[in-house]
Amino acid sequence: DTGVSQNPRHKITKRGQNVTFRCDPISEHNRLYWYRQTLGQGPEFLTYFQNEAQLEKSRLLSDRFSAERPKGSFSTLEIQRTEQGDSAMYLCASSPRTGVGTNYGYTFGSGTRLTVV
Amino acid sequence: RKEVEQDPGPFNVPEGATVAFNCTYSNSASQSFFWYRQDCRKEPKLLMSVYSSGNEDGRFTAQLNRASQYISLLIRDSKLSDSATYLCVVNTGNQFYFGTGTSLTVIP
Repeated sequence: DTGVSQNPRHKITKRGQNVTFRCDPISEHNRLYWYRQTLGQGPEFLTYFQNEAQLEKSRLLSDRFSAERPKGSFSTLEIQRTEQGDSAMYLCASSPRTGVGTNYGYTFGSGTRLTVV
Repeated sequence: RKEVEQDPGPFNVPEGATVAFNCTYSNSASQSFFWYRQDCRKEPKLLMSVYSSGNEDGRFTAQLNRASQYISLLIRDSKLSDSATYLCVVNTGNQFYFGTGTSLTVIP
């Protein structure tokens, strides 16, 4: 396990279809994050897990989006009834811990590039 | 107001030049600070953490001014391989907030 793994790397889907992405974090990292990045912008926070608990969700995460991390290991992000505005790079990151006194940055996966046509 | 503000650039500099990027953050309770590098169509990668005392890693120097809520990155002796987008990142609570990134192109 040398890093964060995301699958698939690319996904092209028709508007209205459902898509699911998978993220396998670094095994000893208990924190897992999903971000979305569009061209010319920095990554935007979507949601965050500590072990299997989803502790925080962005208002960007509409009811069409759902994320799970059932056993505290890999995570899935599902988008239902995709829209063209969902086209973006979806990045997963993991971290051992954060907080005062720490300087642990994220390690990102290579991302899943979603194109909704 | 955005959590993290960066000048998007682009910065086009000749090889060997020194270039500085600046970033401001809005939440005084922010705890940790980082610079990430992102190559075109790739994921962001951690370049360096930023400490209050300032820190250096080879040609890269990062500074943090908590009073002014300001972070900087200095790159000396720029190389062609430094061409990328540099993202300022601030950790507040359980979230990392990213700036929009500053684009750097080093010209031969």
